[in-house]
Order: sequence, then C-alpha cells, then structure tokens
Amino acid sequence: EAGVAQSPRYKIIEKRQSVAFWCNPISGHATLYWYQQILGQGPKLLIQFQNNGVVDDSQLPKDRFSAERLKGVDSTLKIQPAKLEDSAVYLCASSLRAGVLLNTEAFFGQGTRLTVV
Amino acid sequence: ELKVEQNPLFLSMQEGKNYTIYCNYSTTSDRLYWYRQDPGKSLESLFVLLSNGAVKQEGRLMASLDTKARLSTLHITAAVHDLSATYFCAVDSGNQFYFGTGTSLTVIP
Repeated sequence: EAGVAQSPRYKIIEKRQSVAFWCNPISGHATLYWYQQILGQGPKLLIQFQNNGVVDDSQLPKDRFSAERLKGVDSTLKIQPAKLEDSAVYLCASSLRAGVLLNTEAFFGQGTRLTVV
Repeated sequence: ELKVEQNPLFLSMQEGKNYTIYCNYSTTSDRLYWYRQDPGKSLESLFVLLSNGAVKQEGRLMASLDTKARLSTLHITAAVHDLSATYFCAVDSGNQFYFGTGTSLTVIP
C-alpha cells in the first residue's frame, strides 16, 4: 500500500516569498491533516480536512497560510508571505476517519523541510 | 484545549536497562497512539491503544493505557542503541490529534 506522499522534500526561500507544499494521502482516507513541526517540538495541527471540507483550522495563521483539498483527495498548503518563524517541517497525514470509527490512526508523510532565510 | 504532557523530555539510558516514558492528558479520551521519530524523518506509528486497560507489545517496547487516570506509559525493556529516537504520544479528542511534547531517548552503549 502506498503511503502519504509529499513534495518537495526540502525548500529554502527568502522571507516575504511564497511557497506551496503538496500532499497526496493514502487512497481511501477521508481525513487529511497538515501539521507544523518546529525543531525540538511536537507536531502542531494547522488544518484538518474531512473529504474536501475543513473540520478544524483554528491554529492556522490565516493571514499568511492557506490550504485546500481538491476533490477530497490531494491537498496543497501555501504560505504567503513567509516569515523567518515559519521555518519548520510541514507534515501531512491521513486517516480513515469517516463517521464513527474506533481506530483513527494517522499515517504521516516524509514531510517538507522549509527554511526561511 | 486538550493538553498532552510527556515526561521525561530527555532520557539517556544505558543499553540493557529498563525505563518508562509517561504520557498524561487533560481530557477524556480512550484513543491514544504512540509514534517514533528518527532525526530528519517522519513519524512512524508504533502502537494504537483503543480502550481502558489496553496493552500492546512489540519487541522491547510495551505500551499501556489507563483512561481513568488519563495516563499512558511506554515501557522500554533491556534498551538497545537502535531504540534511540524521539517518542511522541498523541491523544484523539474525538475530532483531532493532540501530540505530546516528545521524549528524546538516547541509548548509550
């Protein structure tokens, strides 16, 4: 079974530039998550989609971050303009979660390491 | 907001020793997950705990869940160098995952 695919793996940009990340979840997974992981910290949820609808984006800095999930499958996360403090690994995860499920285990992609200089 | 605390944050232990990592959380949940993260890598699922009293074991690692105490433990038996990594617990609040702070484990030969 193919896992969660993310691209690019690495990105270096200057502050105030724009950047976009792409995620392809595991086939059939209804829920897709974007997490931000700053070095030395645990992942922090930015946005959660259920199919192509947003379930939770309370921690997404909406003045600069945006995300969409096209047709309930692939997703893109964009930062515009980037700040130095956005340097982090951006992880995409997916889970089967749909309706009432006991096991909602999330599977993670390799992540995109963003460096803002 | 649900809070998930792990301790210790850093753990250095000798090969062959035993130790336990603790994960406390602040709200009712009966779904807890343990993940492992190697430096520069993504998160790898280790254990899925879905009920009070659940216990799972894989090799030298054993995880348990006490939903009444809102506590999960990850026990390491006879540590080996290959277990060096950062371990995260994640609690499912029913709507989203909340991750703990992580425990960075270093096993010294």
